[in-house]
Amino acid sequence: GENVEQHPSTLSVQEGDSAVIKCTYSDSASNYFPWYKQELGKGPQLIIDIRSNVGEKKDQRIAVTLNKTAKHFSLHITETQPEDSAVYFCAAPPGGYQKVTFGTGTKLQVIP
Amino acid sequence: GAGVSQSPRYKVAKRGQDVALRCDPISGHVSLFWYQQALGQGPEFLTYFQNEAQLDKSGLPSDRFFAERPEGSVSTLKIQRTQQEDSAVYLCASGGGSDTQYFGPGTRLTVL
Repeated sequence: GENVEQHPSTLSVQEGDSAVIKCTYSDSASNYFPWYKQELGKGPQLIIDIRSNVGEKKDQRIAVTLNKTAKHFSLHITETQPEDSAVYFCAAPPGGYQKVTFGTGTKLQVIP
Repeated sequence: GAGVSQSPRYKVAKRGQDVALRCDPISGHVSLFWYQQALGQGPEFLTYFQNEAQLDKSGLPSDRFFAERPEGSVSTLKIQRTQQEDSAVYLCASGGGSDTQYFGPGTRLTVL
């Protein structure tokens, strides 16, 4: 099955700085890579996703990059704000199947 | 529009009791997923429905776990003879035919 590794497990940045979270996956047939933000007591919320036919996607302060050859993808948050503080999960479905394997999560703390 | 809703939000059960957790997906979504999230971990896949058909139940940890979606909309996850190791947040997600999954707020189950 799919194996997804996520780093770092915790990340502290000053407000206004950038944050980068990286994930690797094992199934070369995976073709969809979402990122979720989970706040305390809430379910995961999709913030951005990318499909294997593109290398980068951007939405305002959030961007995701994908390297299919190396089987890794990254989340980039620029100009971080305190409300960005949360746990972030990457995910990948094996072979395009909808069953999703999640990474272990990154707790991001943005210090005002 | 309305998102995925789950009830109850919190459930406390004595060991050995049966519990039933409900998920109301986004109207019209054919896919429905259940995940288990232990404290500090990412969600772990339990089972997947497409309409009323349960296509994958490979993540259910034991035969004490049972899920149904008889009319292709609302789903119920039932846990029989609960054990302490069943304590977790149970998340439901629905999808409209693309890869994107939309999560509910979860039900926090505590087994005493």
